[in-house]
Amino acid sequence: NAGVTQTPKFRVLKTGQSMTLLCAQDMNHEYMYWYRQDPGMGLRLIHYSVGEGTTAKGEVPDGYNVSRLKKQNFLLGLESAAPSQTSVYFCASSPIRDRVSTISYFGPGTRLTVT
Amino acid sequence: TQLLEQSPQFLSIQEGENLTVYCNSSSVFSSLQWYRQEPGEGPVLLVTVVTGGEVKKLKRLTFQFGDARKDSSLHITAAQPGDTGLYLCAGVSNTGTASKLTFGTGTRLQVTL
Repeated sequence: NAGVTQTPKFRVLKTGQSMTLLCAQDMNHEYMYWYRQDPGMGLRLIHYSVGEGTTAKGEVPDGYNVSRLKKQNFLLGLESAAPSQTSVYFCASSPIRDRVSTISYFGPGTRLTVT
Repeated sequence: TQLLEQSPQFLSIQEGENLTVYCNSSSVFSSLQWYRQEPGEGPVLLVTVVTGGEVKKLKRLTFQFGDARKDSSLHITAAQPGDTGLYLCAGVSNTGTASKLTFGTGTRLQVTL
């Protein structure tokens, strides 16, 4: 199993450009998440999905959109990139289980720089 | 907004020393998790503590959940260079659907020979 994979690993965008980050998991997990990680702030939840065709906003959703057309894929889109979106983006997935002891599996991250 | 503060933010110690990392919040969580993250990789789950006052041991790592389920600590005995990394605590909250993780600010640990 590859687990959770993310593409691309690195990307540099100019302000106003758009892009899509792809997350794929091969563990048949129901739940998928997108986080951003900034120095001194831990990881913050952008959007999440509890199943194919459903998405919900997290803590910092502004400027991002997501789609989950297939169970194994979760896409994060930036329609008009801003320098404030320079960050490392992590995708995670977790199975449906006892919600107290949920386990999240993280991808390796995408480092995005917006100039 | 739930916040989790970790202390210290940075820690540089020599091999063989002991250390404790703290994770504090004003919010109550269903459970609390500790992750370790190495450069260029995503966080990896180390442990989940569920019950107030619970103590879990993972080899040289000891995790404790506060009685009120608002805080936690991670103690490492006889640290080794392989313990180097970013340690993140995360509080688990149950929403109407999925569980949500609120991550702490992180503690960057460096263990030198």
